Amino acid sequence: GDSVTQMEGPVTLSEEAFLTINCTYTATGYPSLFWYVQYPGEGLQLLLKATKADDKGSNKGFEATYRKETTSFHLEKGSVQVSDSAVYFCALSGFWGGSEKLVFGKGTKLTVNP
Amino acid sequence: DGGITQSPKYLFRKEGQNVTLSCEQNLNHDAMYWYRQDPGQGLRLIYYSQIVNDFQKGDIAEGYSVSREKKESFPLTVTSAQKNPTAFYLCASGSGQGSNQPQHFGDGTRLSIL
Repeated sequence: GDSVTQMEGPVTLSEEAFLTINCTYTATGYPSLFWYVQYPGEGLQLLLKATKADDKGSNKGFEATYRKETTSFHLEKGSVQVSDSAVYFCALSGFWGGSEKLVFGKGTKLTVNP
Repeated sequence: DGGITQSPKYLFRKEGQNVTLSCEQNLNHDAMYWYRQDPGQGLRLIYYSQIVNDFQKGDIAEGYSVSREKKESFPLTVTSAQKNPTAFYLCASGSGQGSNQPQHFGDGTRLSIL
């Protein structure tokens, strides 16, 4: 079945460091890809999305490009802040059995130190 | 503002007791979902519903039940058959039907055993 694999955490960085969180996927069709962020004690918030190959999603300085040839959707940010500390989830959207569902990676916890 | 409201934020269950988690949305979304989140395991789909009066089992439906009598509401009951109910429960809604639009999440309910 369809699946998402993202790099294991936790990831600890200093403020202003460069961030990469790797995400690869396996899918039979042409899914949309998402990055969600979860702050402590809260639900998930959509960070960015891409719906087709070569699309680049971006938001709040974060970027990810839908790479069909490498089945990847890596999350990057050039200069992280303490406020970026959270858990990040990569997900794909597929349509199975007449219903649309999300498949999530296990999440990567990011801690940014001042 | 439109959104998803989950209540209560914290819930405690006694042995042999059924408890119900509330989820309400005013986004006019057709599809609603329940996920369970355990540390290090990402999100797992419990039940989902594409339209009123219809719902399907997800990957871990055993010990849970749902209803979808109104478009806005999708309550989850954790029954006494669920032997390990301690987790963070997230409700989500989406356009569904292959729209490839993101799901929107509530702030979650944390369930613990007394």
